[in-house]
Amino acid sequence: EDQVTQSPEALRLQEGESSSLNCSYTVSGLRGLFWYRQDPGKGPEFLFTLYSAGEEKEKERLKATLTKKESFLHITAPKPEDSATYLCAVQAAGGGSNYKLTFGKGTLLTVNP
Amino acid sequence: KAGVTQTPRYLIKTRGQQVTLSCSPISGHRSVSWYQQTPGQGLQFLFEYFSETQRNKGNFPGRFSGRQFSNSRSEMNVSTLELGDSALYLCASSLDDFHSGNTIYFGEGSWLTVV
Repeated sequence: EDQVTQSPEALRLQEGESSSLNCSYTVSGLRGLFWYRQDPGKGPEFLFTLYSAGEEKEKERLKATLTKKESFLHITAPKPEDSATYLCAVQAAGGGSNYKLTFGKGTLLTVNP
Repeated sequence: KAGVTQTPRYLIKTRGQQVTLSCSPISGHRSVSWYQQTPGQGLQFLFEYFSETQRNKGNFPGRFSGRQFSNSRSEMNVSTLELGDSALYLCASSLDDFHSGNTIYFGEGSWLTVV
């Protein structure tokens, strides 16, 4: 069974204080690893899809990296508007698993001014 | 371009009733999937449809059902509502074209409260 574990559950940073969120996963074969941002009361907002170990993607202050067992979301010089819950999900390859995402419980990030 | 549209956004139902939620995917997307989000369980997969066919179903009771129409719009239905069905129900759509990448977009969700 596919599993995704995110850590820490909650992270509080000062504005400008860089840090990383972790996503560890177990999947029979990885089709894609997804990162989303979710604000309270809203649906998840797509950030990145990573497909193979060694891949990196960047968007503004965010950079996602992928290894065979985990992914990191690096946040450089965060601002208060980066405060949100960050969700990691995996999509397995093969059969019906192609067509679903398995999510972690998320990391609640708070950035104080 | 327009995103994934879900209706209604909020609804309150009584235990034992049934509810139907609607989802319009991004134009051109043929894959539609549904998820349930609760504080305790997080996001859990319900089912996925492509060209009107259900390709995968999550571990939910038969009270949860769905369908997809020829225009890719989808509906999900929950019958005999229970208090534990109170949740945010999210719809997601994608092109599901493996060769051109796979981006899955979510709607804002339908908040269901069962009383």
